[in-house]
Amino acid sequence: GQQVMQIPQYQHVQEGEDFTTYCNSSTTLSNIQWYKQRPGGHPVFLIQLVKSGEVKKQKRLTFQFGEAKKNSSLHITATQTTDVGTYFCAGASGTYKYIFGTGTRLKVLA
Amino acid sequence: GAVVSQHPSRVICKSGTSVKIECRSLDFQATTMFWYRQFPKQSLMLMATSNEGSKATYEQGVEKDKFLINHASLTLSTLTVTSAHPEDSSFYICSARGLGGPSGNQPQHFGDGTRLSIL
Repeated sequence: GQQVMQIPQYQHVQEGEDFTTYCNSSTTLSNIQWYKQRPGGHPVFLIQLVKSGEVKKQKRLTFQFGEAKKNSSLHITATQTTDVGTYFCAGASGTYKYIFGTGTRLKVLA
Repeated sequence: GAVVSQHPSRVICKSGTSVKIECRSLDFQATTMFWYRQFPKQSLMLMATSNEGSKATYEQGVEKDKFLINHASLTLSTLTVTSAHPEDSSFYICSARGLGGPSGNQPQHFGDGTRLSIL
């Protein structure tokens, strides 16, 4: 079945440093979504990418969808302590459901 | 907007008890609701997809007789864990997807989750 992997599994950064998480799917995706889950909380929708090669920005966050629509990345510039949490990608491959990636847990050291 | 309420937030009960968890979309109609299970520090594992007015679609390896899903209206889906045992202890989260737009292109809005502990 479809698998969605993310690397790294964990990342500790100093506040102000950049952070990137990579998402790779075993199958071609129709679209991909990104979510953030704070410790003890539920996932919160960040963004959706649909087009091949698409790049979207939200303030310090940059999201990219690969040309082959099998991978994606989330880059955070100049991390802040509020960025702490686990970032999940979730990919859909033409069906109604999304498969969540393994997640990247980000810790930001002040 | 797009608020999903999940209740209860925490359940502690004895082995053999059946537990019902409710998932409501408060300010939008949801044709599709999803039920996930999340183990500590792990990803969300899709258990089943609940469609209003029809039978739920279960993922491989999920026992439909163990995890009963009912999607009675466009704003309510319930998950009942029947005869729960300690291995069913977990964090269960629902999500709802609204109407409109191409199927699969709507974001999921998550409830706060239910932490189930079976003694």
